[in-house]
Amino acid sequence: DSGVTQTPKHLITATGQRVTLRCSPRSGDLSVYWYQQSLDQGLQFLIQYYNGEERAKGNILERFSAQQFPDLHSELNLSSLELGDSALYFCASSLTGAGEKLFFGSGTQLSVL
Amino acid sequence: GESVGLHLPTLSVQEGDNSIINCAYSNSASDYFIWYKQESGKGPQFIIDIRSNMDKRQGQRVTVLLNKTVKHLSLQIAATQPGDSAVYFCAELRGGGSYIPTFGRGTSLIVHP
Repeated sequence: DSGVTQTPKHLITATGQRVTLRCSPRSGDLSVYWYQQSLDQGLQFLIQYYNGEERAKGNILERFSAQQFPDLHSELNLSSLELGDSALYFCASSLTGAGEKLFFGSGTQLSVL
Repeated sequence: GESVGLHLPTLSVQEGDNSIINCAYSNSASDYFIWYKQESGKGPQFIIDIRSNMDKRQGQRVTVLLNKTVKHLSLQIAATQPGDSAVYFCAELRGGGSYIPTFGRGTSLIVHP
């Protein structure tokens, strides 16, 4: 067990809808990363937060947004969903946010029908 | 080695054999490298890391070799066990103040009992 909790584990929704993915980092970790994993693109970095502030942005679509709350949990919001958004979404946490030794949750499998 | 197209390269070995998983990276400025293991239904899990000022690092049953001249990284697993069956990713930190690990496409390791 990595100590990182992601909910829900599975999400099935329709095109055009909006969903929220939740992540609780490991106790003591200040930084949260979001990654998208799909069969054809591998693990793609979306966004990173450190102690409540956005630190880095990757290939995140404008339809997607995220935030990290004062209690350090994070949420990834996906809106106007398209079929191509179907993927496994991972949250990872680390103490320093320097990219070393990330602890990953078990992911949320999103299926857009 | 690195994947081409949609399919992960696959390494099949017999239990007890040594396994070598290869990874090529593209950025000569990358200064930190990490290997992750992803089992089915789980998130990636840290195995071992190495900095660019080293060419070898050993862990428990695993060794990482770094050849900066040809920008190549390898993970050696000694006495491979069925529990080692997973997808293995190399990740790099590209230096220049980047804190975001960039993941390779992964290699699937299958260990036959």
